Amino acid sequence: EVQLLESGGGWVQPGGSLRLSCAASGFTFGIYAMSWVRQAPGKGLEWVSSISGSGDTYYADSVKGRFTISRDNSKNTLSLQIKNLRVEDSARYYCATAGLPRHWGQGTLVTVSS
Amino acid sequence: SSELTQDPAVSVALGQTVSITCQGDSLRTYYASWYQQKPGQAPVLVIYDKNYRPSGIPDRFSGSSSGNTASLTITGAQAEDEADYYCNSRIANYVEVFGGGTRVTVL
Repeated sequence: EVQLLESGGGWVQPGGSLRLSCAASGFTFGIYAMSWVRQAPGKGLEWVSSISGSGDTYYADSVKGRFTISRDNSKNTLSLQIKNLRVEDSARYYCATAGLPRHWGQGTLVTVSS
Repeated sequence: SSELTQDPAVSVALGQTVSITCQGDSLRTYYASWYQQKPGQAPVLVIYDKNYRPSGIPDRFSGSSSGNTASLTITGAQAEDEADYYCNSRIANYVEVFGGGTRVTVL
């Protein structure tokens, strides 16, 4: 059974940084592309970033230059480093497989507020 | 344009049929996927590659596509189908977009 478990969310002031992690199990992590998708409170889903199995990275324009996606295939772990956080980055961040059929974690909540 | 447009809300009587549409230029090239999301829960894939259902998804859910429009149809809507539904498609390799979501209310 595919399992994705996110961690690392929390409260941070504007301009701060966070590192989100996603522990994957139940599938051959290293050969699958992975994604981060976020959802602001009461809003819709927004694709944030994806990384191929070989490490090629892709970002939404809204986060380019501030977010860095990475993976450690030896530890079955996906990460998202977020810098210079803005209030509008407040959201639940979901880790998900990029291919189909897509599997999702339960998300980790990031709150950016002063 | 890389946007996907959905109607904000639709309603359907219990047991009746409802279709949700999603429009966008990317749908001329890539298939839509559809996600169901209930309050406080993660999204669940209900349709992918235009009309494939993951294991466990009832066959009352179906998908179709024509030109720049994709549709999700629920035939014989049940109370448990009340949720937000999002369409999704690629716009390039590993780059994707979601629609704004449609809230389905079962009356």
